[in-house]
Formats: sequence, structure tokens, C-alpha cells
Amino acid sequence: SYVLTQPPSVSVAPGQTASITCGGTKIGSKSVHWYQQKPGQVPVLVVYDDNDRPSGISERFSGSSSADTATLSLSRVEAGDEADYYCQVWDSRSNHVFGGGTKLTVL
Amino acid sequence: EVQLVESGGGLVQPGRSLRLSCAASGFTFDDFGMHWVRQVPGKGLEWVSGINWSGGNIDYADSVKGRFTISRDNAKKSVYLQMNSLRADDTAFYYCAKDKAAANIGAFDYWGQGTLVTVS
Repeated sequence: SYVLTQPPSVSVAPGQTASITCGGTKIGSKSVHWYQQKPGQVPVLVVYDDNDRPSGISERFSGSSSADTATLSLSRVEAGDEADYYCQVWDSRSNHVFGGGTKLTVL
Repeated sequence: EVQLVESGGGLVQPGRSLRLSCAASGFTFDDFGMHWVRQVPGKGLEWVSGINWSGGNIDYADSVKGRFTISRDNAKKSVYLQMNSLRADDTAFYYCAKDKAAANIGAFDYWGQGTLVTVS
């Protein structure tokens, strides 16, 4: 089955750029989607198809994907960005797969 | 405004059945695929099942295949999850989610608030 690997946690100082990685075999050939889930809230789609943003999502969110790693970048990080972030892809054998999630902490 | 409202969760004994419903509004329901995603409290997201716009293409996670059945009624703008032979490890919040496309292989752009299923 297809596996997506995320670091359990990432820490960043306010105003800096946070980078959250998502590793998977040839993930660069798949469409990667990213979700933000704040404590007690429902997941929100923040990036889809590698680097597109839904309407209403801050331009501070961006994504990239190549070879075996996809990355979600969040620039000018604020305290309100603290959340769990999940990557997701569709694979023809495994269907929809989520990464284990990364907890973003703003120092 | 897109709204997805789940219902049907609750406490159920192992081996019994439960049917979840998701009522949709605010978009042309039969233009989009729909999904069920679950989350054990404090843990990560797990995709459960998806159905395309017409109901003609359906997929399941291996963990529920043969026990759960997804269906949709486009006239009622609703999607359902029939859960049979429930086990303790099915305990989770179950979210209904809308696909960005008519197929069921895209991103999930809207989520319901979830309904809690407890198997004990």
C-alpha cells in the first residue's frame, strides 16, 4: 500500500517560514493536497493539486512537489497557524491516503 | 454556502450495525463525488469510502471492505454509510466530505462537522 510520511512536529518562530514535508514514492507524479486542522475543528483544505489554493485561503500557503517529496510552505507564520497539517494523495492501488500529520508549533 | 450535516452516530455494541447519513446543501450535489473520512480522537485522518457523482464508482479502504457500504441519493442530496459488523477499532469521528470533482479521486474541499461512532 502507498505510504505518506510526515514529520510528527515542526516548530517555527513568528514571522518565519514553516516547511512541512510529505514523503512518498514518486509523489511528484501524483496530485498532493494539504489540510489544516486546528484543535477541536474540522479539517480545511489549504492547498490542492500540489500548489493551488482554494478561494479564501491565504496566499501565505504554497506547495511544491518533486520526486519523492512534497512540501507545504507557510510564510510569515502567525500564532493562529498552530494546527495539525495533513498531506493526502490518491493512488490507483491504495485509493486515498493521508499522511500521519504534522503538528506545527509557533514558538 | 456549502453545508454538510452528518447524523446517525452513537453508541453501538460490537457486531451490530449503524447507518450514517450526510445531508448536503449549497451546491449542485449530483455534480460531485462524496467521501467518508474518519478520525480517532487525538489521532490522524483515515479515508473510509468514496462514491462518484452517479454512484457508479465506489471504493473502500481495506479496513472496512466487506463491512461498510456507501450509497447516495441525488434526489435527496444525501450520502450514506451503512456500517455492519462494527468493531471497537471503528470507534471514531466520521466526517462527510465533498470531492472537488465529479469523480471520487480529488481533494476534499468541504467537510461536515462529523458524527461520533463509539463501538463498545
